[in-house]
Amino acid sequence: AQSVTQLGSHVSVSEGALVLLRCNYSSSVPPYLFWYVQYPNQGLQLLLKYTTGATLVKGINGFEAEFKKSETSFHLTKPSAHMSDAAEYFCAVSEAGGGNKLTFGTGTQLKVEL
Amino acid sequence: GAVVSQHPSRVICKSGTSVKIECRSLDFQATTMFWYRQFPKQSLMLMATSNEGSKATYEQGVEKDKFLINHASLTLSTLTVTSAHPEDSSFYICSASAGGSGANVLTFGAGSRLTVL
Repeated sequence: AQSVTQLGSHVSVSEGALVLLRCNYSSSVPPYLFWYVQYPNQGLQLLLKYTTGATLVKGINGFEAEFKKSETSFHLTKPSAHMSDAAEYFCAVSEAGGGNKLTFGTGTQLKVEL
Repeated sequence: GAVVSQHPSRVICKSGTSVKIECRSLDFQATTMFWYRQFPKQSLMLMATSNEGSKATYEQGVEKDKFLINHASLTLSTLTVTSAHPEDSSFYICSASAGGSGANVLTFGAGSRLTVL
């Protein structure tokens, strides 16, 4: 069984500040890891994913995440927050070759303040 | 890019009635579609996997007779909430896969908010 834990249901940062959203996972097999963003009343948009290879992955809108197997983590970062980054962020895990079945974390609401 | 459309985006119904939600892949053929339920301030919970031309696979604890899923074509899957009750009120989201085993080909719909009075 797989699970995802997102620490902090709400994160608030100032515009221009570093964004750090935490995600830890549990998986008995090599995982595929994902970050999705959800804007109000919209579906989920893929930010980035890790499957194999380079552990630091870059996504859209300046976000990146690093897969750390020893820490079972996949934290999402962005050097400088923008007002448009305010949204709900979900970390998700699937088994490699697991046929697209995703297990989501509980989400982190990011607030960006002036 | 790939687009998935859900309809209706919002629906209000009376207790005891049935509601149908559609999930369409607009510019690709989706061999597999997934239905999720999202409670307020909570995560997405996978309800079922819908495969074109075959019966849906439901997750543990999801009532098959309550949540009827039909994937009759490669571009359409429907979720019917039968005899809806207030506890069925939720945000329902579908996602579609064009094929392959990697979840990187999933595209999500915008969701359908169901309110049962």
